[in-house]
Amino acid sequence: DAMVIQNPRYQVTQFGKPVTLSCSQTLNHNVMYWYQQKSSQAPKLLFHYYDKDFNNEADTPDNFQSRRPNTSFCFLDIRSPGLGDAAMYLCATSRAFRRSNTEAFFGQGTRLTVV
Amino acid sequence: DAKTTQPNSMESNEEEPVHLPCNHSTISGTDYIHWYRQLPSQGPEYVIHGLTSNVNNRMASLAIAEDRKSSTLILHRATLRDAAVYYCILGSSDFGNEKLTFGTGTRLTIIP
Repeated sequence: DAMVIQNPRYQVTQFGKPVTLSCSQTLNHNVMYWYQQKSSQAPKLLFHYYDKDFNNEADTPDNFQSRRPNTSFCFLDIRSPGLGDAAMYLCATSRAFRRSNTEAFFGQGTRLTVV
Repeated sequence: DAKTTQPNSMESNEEEPVHLPCNHSTISGTDYIHWYRQLPSQGPEYVIHGLTSNVNNRMASLAIAEDRKSSTLILHRATLRDAAVYYCILGSSDFGNEKLTFGTGTRLTIIP
């Protein structure tokens, strides 16, 4: 059974039109991550939550925002998508590493196309 | 953030052992060494992780150098299903800074 679920798997949006990607987890993990992965590149961390505490990477554009209304759900909002934002977006979860350093579970990703 | 260095690609014959190297010379005392792999069109999946001692699990073994500046992921008997991009990652366990930052990865090709 899938433990980290991303919806939708494929999303097409228009240039400049806000889009929201969603992620849910059944693992009750403290930490949730959003990564951006462009073709033939490694996943790039955008931000992560430790419980409700939001941690933004220094080079994440302001165009990217996130919400975590509860433990199970996390959303990635792209306010004005540009052609350069076309990518696979990956959500992941883990327990807090400092307690028992452990594995992260990734969703299947949402492939975003900007037209 | 501490960084990792891996070869861009490697090839191995099926049913032979594979040793995937990783350098992490700037590793800090609180960084765990993680390995994940990513098959085509899928999210990354956990392989193994460790701190100081060598680790074994059903998928692989992780050999960590005594000074922790390098490590090697060992697949004991490669199959075609092991063809993937393998990422060596330093997972910070500093309070408030726990995260996984991916390096460039090694694309492993298995030759039948």
